[in-house]
Amino acid sequence: DSGVTQTPKHLITATGQRVTLRCSPRSGDLSVYWYQQSLDQGLQFLIHYYNGEERAKGNILERFSAQQFPDLHSELNLSSLELGDSALYFCASSSGTPANYGYTFGSGTRLTVV
Amino acid sequence: TQLLEQSPQFLSIQEGENLTVYCNSSSVFSSLQWYRQEPGEGPVLLVTVVTGGEVKKLKRLTFQFGDARKDSSLHITAAQPGDTGLYLCAGKNTGFQKLVFGTGTRLLVSP
Repeated sequence: DSGVTQTPKHLITATGQRVTLRCSPRSGDLSVYWYQQSLDQGLQFLIHYYNGEERAKGNILERFSAQQFPDLHSELNLSSLELGDSALYFCASSSGTPANYGYTFGSGTRLTVV
Repeated sequence: TQLLEQSPQFLSIQEGENLTVYCNSSSVFSSLQWYRQEPGEGPVLLVTVVTGGEVKKLKRLTFQFGDARKDSSLHITAAQPGDTGLYLCAGKNTGFQKLVFGTGTRLLVSP
């Protein structure tokens, strides 16, 4: 158990639908990072929150949004889903600068859009 | 766009063999990390290297950061089935705030 909790573990939904992925960071970590992993694109950075504030955006589609709540848990909202959104979505937290301390990843949410 | 190319993409070996995985870029990185990801799990940090020429050992795993800080290698001695997984390098250079992940090397060690 890494200490980073992601729910649900698996999600199957239809095109056009909206889903919410949830992440609780490791105790004491203020930063939450969301990544998308697919076979052809590898691990792609989506967005970073620190103590409730958005700090950086990566290759995140306009159909996707995220937020971090006062209790530091984070949610990633994916809407108007397309077949190509099928992927593993990971949340990671870090106790400091990831380049120095590294990421602690959750076990991911596997999203399948049918 | 930073690119971290890993080679080989896939490696299938027998237990007891040695192997080396490479991570290369045209950019200079201030630090570089290696992660291992097992099926159904998130990546797990193995090591962070920050100094050009640095070598770190973790049991049977040896990590090296290139002198110019543009490349890194991971060498596994006497591989075991438990080493099976996806190995990812991740680097940060001074121009960006986030880590960039490499393309990954999928290792399969058969008994």
